[in-house]
Amino acid sequence: DVKVTQSSRYLVKRTGEKVFLECVQDMDHENMFWYRQDPGLGLRLIYFSYDVKMKEKGDIPEGYSVSREKKERFSLILESASTNQTSMYLCASSFPSEQYFGPGTRLTVT
Amino acid sequence: RKEVEQDPGPFNVPEGATVAFNCTYSNSASQSFFWYRQDCRKEPKLLMSVYSSGNEDGRFTAQLNRASQYISLLIRDSKLSDSATYLCVVKESGGGFKTIFGAGTRLFVKA
Repeated sequence: DVKVTQSSRYLVKRTGEKVFLECVQDMDHENMFWYRQDPGLGLRLIYFSYDVKMKEKGDIPEGYSVSREKKERFSLILESASTNQTSMYLCASSFPSEQYFGPGTRLTVT
Repeated sequence: RKEVEQDPGPFNVPEGATVAFNCTYSNSASQSFFWYRQDCRKEPKLLMSVYSSGNEDGRFTAQLNRASQYISLLIRDSKLSDSATYLCVVKESGGGFKTIFGAGTRLFVKA
């Protein structure tokens, strides 16, 4: 059974804090993605990675960075959290087209 | 214009009803099409791919109209458990990984 896990289901952080969201997949997939999901806007791609140490900007990369040191792990970093980054964050992996999602992290920045 | 557009609904239907959702996309070069299902407070999961000739999976039928740039999902004999948000997903061509998700259509099936 395919599995994508995320480090936290709920997270509350203060403005200006550095935030790390971790994602691990056990399917040996090459491609991994980070999205945020907001009401009425759907899923928006922040960053994706198609190989270890490779990363590409998605549609809304501002304020975020990523790290992929190992194939199974893709981390999303909020360098200095802001209130407009309050959202649901979803990680996914894929091969070749179907995307498998983690359960999501609901981040609140106060 | 949004790249992928869906009617947000909600669609409220009785059990046993047939319900259809449409989705339009703006990029005529789009290559692959999917419907995902997302339950409340859960992650999206693939419901079915959409093929050019149309395809069926049990009570679900998906169709693609490239000329008019829309895809559709038909659910027959609705069940209470079909209540969810249905996301239209379009993957663009060119060897890239750009996959665009619609904002979703909410469906409530009532007894």
